[in-house]
Amino acid sequence: GEDVEQSLFLSVREGDSSVINCTYTDSSSTYLYWYKQEPGAGLQLLTYIFSNMDMKQDQRLTVLLNKKDKHLSLRIADTQTGDSAIYFCAESVTNDYKLSFGAGTTVTVRA
Amino acid sequence: DTEVTQTPKHLVMGMTNKKSLKCEQHMGHRAMYWYKQKAKKPPELMFVYSYEKLSINESVPSRFSPECPNSSLLNLHLHALQPEDSALYLCASSPQGRELDEQYFGPGTRLTVT
Repeated sequence: GEDVEQSLFLSVREGDSSVINCTYTDSSSTYLYWYKQEPGAGLQLLTYIFSNMDMKQDQRLTVLLNKKDKHLSLRIADTQTGDSAIYFCAESVTNDYKLSFGAGTTVTVRA
Repeated sequence: DTEVTQTPKHLVMGMTNKKSLKCEQHMGHRAMYWYKQKAKKPPELMFVYSYEKLSINESVPSRFSPECPNSSLLNLHLHALQPEDSALYLCASSPQGRELDEQYFGPGTRLTVT
């Protein structure tokens, strides 16, 4: 199975940290991705993590992977109004071009 | 050049029209993809080209016809579409032309079928 699940909404105050969670079911997942989509725009690849890693940090973004629990999270430090968007978690598995996407988490940053 | 471009940005077409969507990348990527995205939903894969050959067709109706003239260009030819085909059509590319590549998306073409 390739079910990827995410909570649908997150509201966060400007300047706080945001944490977006994702669970996946395919144990052969090899890469896990986070994409950002602003209204009316395409998907922007934010970061990705290989399944043999447990953490990756890139400026304000921190990805944590718990492979035992099949749980992935994206933390955005010092959240800004420009971070308001839909965030998609996605997985790819060996021998498959297909990215399996979660439903997307709508992040709203309030002043 | 580190982006995927798509034209047109918006397209309105009748059910009897024939139109084409275009996608271009100059990153030397060897795989290109078409996705369909309905509002508030994740993208759904339609087609994958790897090294200019069609690798995957996700059981897409024949009214959608992809074409890959060269490694930088991808077209999607549209004919006799239905109103339910109205959506955002996203093109993506990936470096190696194999699975497990990270995919980079264009801004999309918003298609309305009347």
